[in-house]
Amino acid sequence: ETGVTQTPRHLVMGMTNKKSLKCEQHLGHNAMYWYKQSAKKPLELMFVYSLEERVENNSVPSRFSPECPNSSHLFLHLHTLQPEDSALYLCASSQDLGFYEQYFGPGTRLTVT
Amino acid sequence: QQQVKQSPQSLIVQKGGISIINCAYENTAFDYFPWYQQFPGKGPALLIAIRPDVSEKKEGRFTISFNKSAKQFSLHIMDSQPGDSATYFCAASPTSGTYKYIFGTGTRLKVLA
Repeated sequence: ETGVTQTPRHLVMGMTNKKSLKCEQHLGHNAMYWYKQSAKKPLELMFVYSLEERVENNSVPSRFSPECPNSSHLFLHLHTLQPEDSALYLCASSQDLGFYEQYFGPGTRLTVT
Repeated sequence: QQQVKQSPQSLIVQKGGISIINCAYENTAFDYFPWYQQFPGKGPALLIAIRPDVSEKKEGRFTISFNKSAKQFSLHIMDSQPGDSATYFCAASPTSGTYKYIFGTGTRLKVLA
């Protein structure tokens, strides 16, 4: 595997379910990000981790809970989501925080029913 | 308010034609302007970027034109090809928080064969 991978690629869940999204980067980067991509809206930065420490929580509802056990893995735990949470969730990584290119994974298409 | 306005929302161009996508920003503190290309089922990938100390940057068939006084920048794709069909996002990065890109809403480009 190369670059940034995300699993699952597609997820359908009910509003009472609990699920997790997984991201893994194979680039040796120190910073990882979660973005939300909705149709006709700008990408929204949700969370930022640097060396496994959360440095940004962009007013994201508590039903989204990130976890970064090491610099290669990032999770987004989901519980009691709303239909408006349906979107493409993108993970990205960069060498470090600051002025470095961000490399994106292919995303997880989430549908909340 | 920090935002980047992107137009058009969608664009259809004949093969060999020129595709032009425009972005405008309000915050004069922005100092890095990348363009991302996203194919269906893939995450965004950095295409080309410019800083405001130059008015134009060219990489192959892709050119960014930058007008600092008008606070506008645009992407030109010369000799557009069907393989260029994708969604293009402009972004801007403020000086103070360099990983905090402000993204445009995207332009879906279709190049007809």
